Formats: sequence, structure tokens, C-alpha cells
Amino acid sequence: AQSVTQLDSHVSVSEGTPVLLRCNYSSSYSPSLFWYVQHPNKGLQLLLKYTSAATLVKGINGFEAEFKKSETSFHLTKPSAHMSDAAEYFCVAAGNKLTFGGGTRVLVKP
Amino acid sequence: GAGVSQSPSNKVTEKGKDVELRCDPISGHTALYWYRQSLGQGLEFLIYFQGNSAPDKSGLPSDRFSAERTGGSVSTLTIQRTQQEDSAVYLCASSLKGGWDSAQHFGDGTRLSIL
Repeated sequence: AQSVTQLDSHVSVSEGTPVLLRCNYSSSYSPSLFWYVQHPNKGLQLLLKYTSAATLVKGINGFEAEFKKSETSFHLTKPSAHMSDAAEYFCVAAGNKLTFGGGTRVLVKP
Repeated sequence: GAGVSQSPSNKVTEKGKDVELRCDPISGHTALYWYRQSLGQGLEFLIYFQGNSAPDKSGLPSDRFSAERTGGSVSTLTIQRTQQEDSAVYLCASSLKGGWDSAQHFGDGTRLSIL
């Protein structure tokens, strides 16, 4: 069975400081992994995708994620948070279906 | 360019009524997916259409739920005899080439409230 765990349900950061969103996955094989962002009353928007070509994946809006097989992790980072980054973030694994993490809500303080 | 379009954006209906939710995928996308997002359950897969293949209905929660995709484009999700637990945001997504590892483009969803 495949599972995705987002370790923090809420993260609060100050504008201009780094953001770290943690994700661990469990799968019997190496799945494709995604990060999506959802702003209020909007659908999900793809930030980035890991497909085994490179362990460090760069996405849109300055986000990047690093795949670590030994730790079964796919954490999302951004060096400097912006107010517009306030949203909910989902880590997603793709195998024989999509498995969503529970989401991390990010609050950005001015 | 045009993204995935869902209608209506909000729907309020009485328990026991039938509802239809519509999804217009991005032109040329072969795959279409429906999800449900609710506070208690998070994001749940409902159904997946890929080209002319039989849809993957494994996520539908009950036989009150059905979906069709006409002409490989527009899709309608129908919920019969609605119950209060059906209240949720229903999200539609499409992808260019299908498969679970394809990047999906989401609509803004239909917020369904059952009174």
C-alpha cells in the first residue's frame, strides 16, 4: 500500500524567511512525487514533479524539493517566503493511483 | 489559455435531490479525473477517464455516484438522492497524456452544500 505523510498540518513563517514543508512517503516501489499548492477557493496548482531524472527538483515561484530515497522523504523548500505563498500545500505520490498527503497550511506573517 | 472549467461554482440543494456537476477539461487533454475534497476526509479520488478506455470507477463511494464523459471531452458527475455527507468541494482535473504520473491541471471546483 502507498501512503503519504505531511509531518506538519500548519507552518507559520515570517515574510522573507525560509519555508520548509516536510513530506514522507511509503511505497513498495519508487513512485512519482508531486507538490501542489491550493489557494483559497481555488483548485490545485502543480509546483513541481519528481520523476527520477534528478533528486533536486526546481519548481515554480522559487520552490524546490529534494528526493531522498534513504529517508523516503520529499521535502519542499523556498529560501524566502512571500505573502502570496500563504496557501495549503499537498504532497502527492503516484503509483497505481494518486495518494494525497493531508496538507500543510502555510501562514506568512508580515 | 483556457484552463479546466467547472460549473456551477457553488450548488446548494436539499437532501434527496439529484445534482449534476460539469467539467470542461483543457482542449486536447486525453485524461480526466474527479476528486472530492472535504474537511474530514481530505482529497479523495472518485473516477478517472482515459481516452476511449473504460473508466476507473474504483473511488466512487456508492452507487448514488456516477459520471460520464461525452465525446472524450466534457464530463458530468451525477449524485443521486443526495445526503448531507455528500457536502464537499468536487474537483475536476485533466492531463495531456493520462496515467497517474502525469501532471494534472485542476479546475476551481464546485462547492456542494446539502441542506
